[in-house]
Amino acid sequence: AQSVSQHNHHVILSEAASLELGCNYSYGGTVNLFWYVQYPGQHLQLLLKYFSGDPLVKGIKGFEAEFIKSKFSFNLRKPSVQWSDTAEYFCAVNAGYGGSQGNLIFGKGTKLSVKP
Amino acid sequence: EAGVTQFPSHSVIEKGQTVTLRCDPISGHDNLYWYRRVMGKEIKFLLHFVKESKQDESGMPNNRFLAERTGGTYSTLKVQPAELEDSGVYFCASSPQTKGYNEQFFGPGTRLTVL
Repeated sequence: AQSVSQHNHHVILSEAASLELGCNYSYGGTVNLFWYVQYPGQHLQLLLKYFSGDPLVKGIKGFEAEFIKSKFSFNLRKPSVQWSDTAEYFCAVNAGYGGSQGNLIFGKGTKLSVKP
Repeated sequence: EAGVTQFPSHSVIEKGQTVTLRCDPISGHDNLYWYRRVMGKEIKFLLHFVKESKQDESGMPNNRFLAERTGGTYSTLKVQPAELEDSGVYFCASSPQTKGYNEQFFGPGTRLTVL
């Protein structure tokens, strides 16, 4: 069965530190990859996505992610975090029957706490 | 434009009782998904509607769970009878049915606590 692994459960950083959150997936076929974010008290929202093309994807709020097919990885990065980045981050894969219409398979999430 | 809404935001019930969760998708979105997050675990897919039809219900845990989407608008998820392991946050998401990728927009979730 397809699965998504997020390596860190809780990451604590100081403002201006660099961030990298790991994500690996297990699926041999074509995948669509996503990072979602849930800020405290808010809905899950899409941070960025990868379907094809340039494996370096840029998202909102200065986030980017790199798809490395050989490593089945889609790590999230941000060069300098802010206190407002405190949130829970979810990596997800869409590899279902319906292609882009299919369900998402999520990792367990990584809580990021940024100290001011 | 209103986002995906869910009701109630929080429900506390006793084991053996029945609970019905409601999701109102974004207007015009034919795809509607239910997901669940049990504490400490990943968000897991439950089922997918396209309009009023169940496209995929492979994630439904057992026959105590019944989802409906009459008329292809809002959806309900009924748990009857509820068990302790049903506690968690139930998310609903919707997306339009157009060619190519369609972002799933999530609701705020319903936190269900079964005592």
